[in-house]
Amino acid sequence: DIQMTQSPSSLSASVGDRVSITCQASHDINSSLSWYLQRPGRAPNLLIFHASNLETGVPSRFSGSGSGTHFTFTINSLLPEDIGTYYCQQYDDLPLTFGGGTRVEI
Amino acid sequence: EMQLSESGGDFVQPGESLRLSCTASGFTFNNYAMTWVRQAPGKGLEWVSGISDIGDTTYYVDAVKGRFTVSRDNSNNTLYLHMNNLRAEDTAVYYCAKCEAVEVVCSSDVWGQGTTVTVSS
Repeated sequence: DIQMTQSPSSLSASVGDRVSITCQASHDINSSLSWYLQRPGRAPNLLIFHASNLETGVPSRFSGSGSGTHFTFTINSLLPEDIGTYYCQQYDDLPLTFGGGTRVEI
Repeated sequence: EMQLSESGGDFVQPGESLRLSCTASGFTFNNYAMTWVRQAPGKGLEWVSGISDIGDTTYYVDAVKGRFTVSRDNSNNTLYLHMNNLRAEDTAVYYCAKCEAVEVVCSSDVWGQGTTVTVSS
């Protein structure tokens, strides 16, 4: 199985801050990586697919980069509604696997 | 609007069975693969199972192989997860999710609200 190592596991930042999360894959996954936000008590919501493509309707303050084994997710200017847990997920091979999550607090 | 709605979660004892359902609306159901993802209390997300657009191929995480069966009824826009011989470690919120492709190796762009399965004696 492909292991996804996400860091940090949690962070606290201020409104307007630039926030970055990294995700490292144990094998080359090309660009088969998605980022999701799970707000408290809610289902996950797709933000980024294919490593850097913004899902329709997702604000442009969110972005993703990387390929192969190293990926980065960035929130350009943090807003209060961005709090929750962010997950990366690889879909290069089965079983699909998620990172451990990054809890973002204000 | 694309929507998914799960049902069937319950409180059961170890060894018992349960069937989860997921009803889709707002998109052409038989054009997309579908997956089940679960989240144990206070834990992260775990992919459980996937099924291709026409249901001819199915996949499972090792922890549920031989106990869970995924199926779909494209005429009724419904996805199922049949769970047998349930264990305490299967306790979780189960989400169904729509793939962005016909194959299971995909990102998931639409998620249901989840249904809770609790396995305890």
